[in-house]
Amino acid sequence: EVQVVESGGGLVQPGRSLRLSCRTSGFTFADYALNWVRQAPGKGLEWVGFIRNQAYGGTTEYAASVKGRFSISRDDSKSIAYLEMNSLKADDTAVYYCSRGWVPSAVDLFDYWGQGTLVTVSS
Amino acid sequence: EIVMTQSPATLSVSPGERATLSCRASQSLSSNLAWYQQKPGQAPRLLIYGASNRATGIPARFSGSGSGTEFTLTISSLQSEDFAVYYCQQYHNWPPVTFGGGTKVEIK
Repeated sequence: EVQVVESGGGLVQPGRSLRLSCRTSGFTFADYALNWVRQAPGKGLEWVGFIRNQAYGGTTEYAASVKGRFSISRDDSKSIAYLEMNSLKADDTAVYYCSRGWVPSAVDLFDYWGQGTLVTVSS
Repeated sequence: EIVMTQSPATLSVSPGERATLSCRASQSLSSNLAWYQQKPGQAPRLLIYGASNRATGIPARFSGSGSGTEFTLTISSLQSEDFAVYYCQQYHNWPPVTFGGGTKVEIK
């Protein structure tokens, strides 16, 4: 059974940093790209970024709203992906979801999602 | 960036009735359009991809149609578990993939 579990959310002050983790099981992690998608309270879905699998260089792409502040990495030996968030702003307050590409190497559709972790940026 | 617009924002439907949700793209997507369902407190679930293909395990009462810039999600006979928010997502031109603002299907 595929499982995706995010952790690391919480209350953080503006300008500070936070690292989220995405732990997975039930599939060959190294074969898949991982995406982060966020949802502000009462709002819709916003794509944050992805990391490709190593076969495609493990490269990353980010939304304009987070580029230069957020960074995605992965540890294939542990089947974990990370979202490093720096210089956090109030607008970054959201539930952050980790999701798997729907087929190996795909980055554009998401079939398995975690339950999300809430990040609140406030003083 | 492709802008996705969903209508209506809220749809009130009685159980057993048909629901029709619309999604419009700011430029042609061919058939690179997906639909997701999200229930309160839950993660989104992939329903439809390629505009009209049901994802694994999705009941036949869910169907998608359209191409280019106009797309439709139809739920043929609403069940109690179908009351939720539905999002369309384009994956024709990325990054970024972009989502519509959502349509809430509520009980009439």
